[in-house]
Amino acid sequence: SQTIHQWPATLVQPVGSPLSLECTVEGTSNPNLYWYRQAAGRGLQLLFYSVGIGQISSEVPQNLSASRPQDRQFILSSKKLLLSDSGFYLCAWSVPSGGARGTDTQYFGPGTRLTVL
Amino acid sequence: GDSVTQMEGPVTLSEEAFLTINCTYTATGYPSLFWYVQYPGEGLQLLLKATKADDKGSNKGFEATYRKETTSFHLEKGSVQVSDSAVYFCALRSWAAGNKLTFGGGTRVLVKP
Repeated sequence: SQTIHQWPATLVQPVGSPLSLECTVEGTSNPNLYWYRQAAGRGLQLLFYSVGIGQISSEVPQNLSASRPQDRQFILSSKKLLLSDSGFYLCAWSVPSGGARGTDTQYFGPGTRLTVL
Repeated sequence: GDSVTQMEGPVTLSEEAFLTINCTYTATGYPSLFWYVQYPGEGLQLLLKATKADDKGSNKGFEATYRKETTSFHLEKGSVQVSDSAVYFCALRSWAAGNKLTFGGGTRVLVKP
């Protein structure tokens, strides 16, 4: 069966410090991978998605970046954190469907709660 | 662009009450529709989905019917339990938008014993 892991589970970082959040998926190959952010009391915002190694699409311009060094590894980074980067970061994966319809389900990891002070 | 609108919470109910969470959408083409649930301190879990008009998704006593004519996907449960307390997200995925989910803002549901 497929599983998705995120770490760390919680993180407290000072403003201006770097960030690295990791997401790995097991039990599947060539998944689509996604990073979302959920700010306090708000919905989910798609930050990045990837359809393959080294292929990253950015949805929102910001001081965050994403990388996919391996097929089942997705990393979210920042060189200098801002207060506004606080939130709950969720990684998700999906298996692309063969057809043109948007039917593939996304499966979410447990999330990382980031607090920037 | 694609968008999802769902009723704002919090929704507070007593145990065994009937729950409805409204969700409407705008999208290009024929999207697939989803409901996700987020329990306190956890990530999102897929609750149910529907991929074409008039499909009914169901799981754990929850149901939602894909209504193309009203562009809606309302979530219902006939008798809620305290364990149903969570935040519920309506989402869509349209082929025109590629491999992306568009989420509503979430509705917090609190069920009291």
